[in-house]
Amino acid sequence: EDQVTQSPEALRLQEGESSSLNCSYTVSGLRGLFWYRQDPGKGPEFLFTLYSAGEEKEKERLKATLTKKESFLHITAPKPEDSATYLCAVQGGYNTDKLIFGTGTRLQVFP
Amino acid sequence: NAGVTQTPKFQVLKTGQSMTLQCAQDMNHNSMYWYRQDPGMGLRLIYYSASEGTTDKGEVPNGYNVSRLNKREFSLRLESAAPSQTSVYFCASSNVGTNEKLFFGSGTQLSVL
Repeated sequence: EDQVTQSPEALRLQEGESSSLNCSYTVSGLRGLFWYRQDPGKGPEFLFTLYSAGEEKEKERLKATLTKKESFLHITAPKPEDSATYLCAVQGGYNTDKLIFGTGTRLQVFP
Repeated sequence: NAGVTQTPKFQVLKTGQSMTLQCAQDMNHNSMYWYRQDPGMGLRLIYYSASEGTTDKGEVPNGYNVSRLNKREFSLRLESAAPSQTSVYFCASSNVGTNEKLFFGSGTQLSVL
């Protein structure tokens, strides 16, 4: 069964303290892995799409990487405004466009 | 730039009542989706519409119906609400194919008593 697991569930960081969020997946035939950011009371906002192992994408303090089993979202020198829930989703299989979402990592960055 | 607009933002229903959640997008997207988000669970797809005039069931369609009224609008109807349908509902749209770079609305928080 296709599955997405995110860890940790919650992460508290001091401003400037770099860290990584993990997204492990099992899917038959990965067609894309997506990262979204969700602020409280709002809908998810698209960050990145990764398609193949070895691919990396960056945006400001965020960098997403992909292997055959997992993806990492690296946060370098985070600021309080990076506080949010980060969601991972995978699209896989050859007969479906269905996205499978993880439960997210809730990140809090303190000044 | 409105993007994806959902109404209402909050709703409280009694068991057995019906209601329709409205969604409209102004990005000329072909595909539209309805998801629900529950604590401790990932976003789950209820129904989607790959193009105007078509709708398909997602992962959790029971108890819901949808209408793709035109290219802009995609509504979700609860015919007889149940407490298990208490959730936050999100509408989303995408342009290229399906699922690529979803744009989400701000959500509807629904409580069924």
